[in-house]
Amino acid sequence: EPEVTQTPSHQVTQMGQEVILRCVPISNHLYFYWYRQILGQKVEFLVSFYNNEISEKSEIFDDQFSVERPDGSNFTLKIRSTKLEDSAMYFCASHDRGLGYGYTFGSGTRLTVV
Amino acid sequence: AQSVTQLDSQVPVFEEAPVELRCNYSSSVSVYLFWYVQYPNQGLQLLLKYLSGSTLVESINGFEAEFNKSQTSFHLRKPSVHISDTAEYFCAVLGWGTGFQKLVFGTGTRLLVSP
Repeated sequence: EPEVTQTPSHQVTQMGQEVILRCVPISNHLYFYWYRQILGQKVEFLVSFYNNEISEKSEIFDDQFSVERPDGSNFTLKIRSTKLEDSAMYFCASHDRGLGYGYTFGSGTRLTVV
Repeated sequence: AQSVTQLDSQVPVFEEAPVELRCNYSSSVSVYLFWYVQYPNQGLQLLLKYLSGSTLVESINGFEAEFNKSQTSFHLRKPSVHISDTAEYFCAVLGWGTGFQKLVFGTGTRLLVSP
């Protein structure tokens, strides 16, 4: 069964450093998302991406965050200057058409900011 | 905007007992509903979903959920749980025509199955 692949599975970074979280969505999917889950809390929407542009973003997704689909297969989330409160599990998701069909999550990247 | 309420943060139950995990949602538009399961240190796995048609949906591992529009609920049930069902369960809603297909999650219910 097709999977959404995320790398790395765990990343530790120092406060103030830039991090890039990588995702490879399912190949024929067109809609891409990032969500995050702070430890012990609920999963929160960060951003959605379609046709090479952001279609919606949450208030969490401030100027420190950016997304990119650099080569038609990878989908990246960049945090420019990490803060302690950015420590969380970050999930990538994708689907191939609207209205919830085939909505698939990756296994996540656990980001720890020290 | 949509919201999801999972009133029970933790549900302890003995193996082979029945369980119900409650989920209520709020939305001004029609919705699609999902249950995701998260095992310790793992990602989110889709357990089941309601998109249209029959209001009772089932998963391959014995869980079922019923969409009740009048009560705005989508409770998850299993008649007999196993130790391996111990996990965090998240209810999620997707609103029609509002926003761009983002899922709104509840706070989760931790199911603890003991022998």
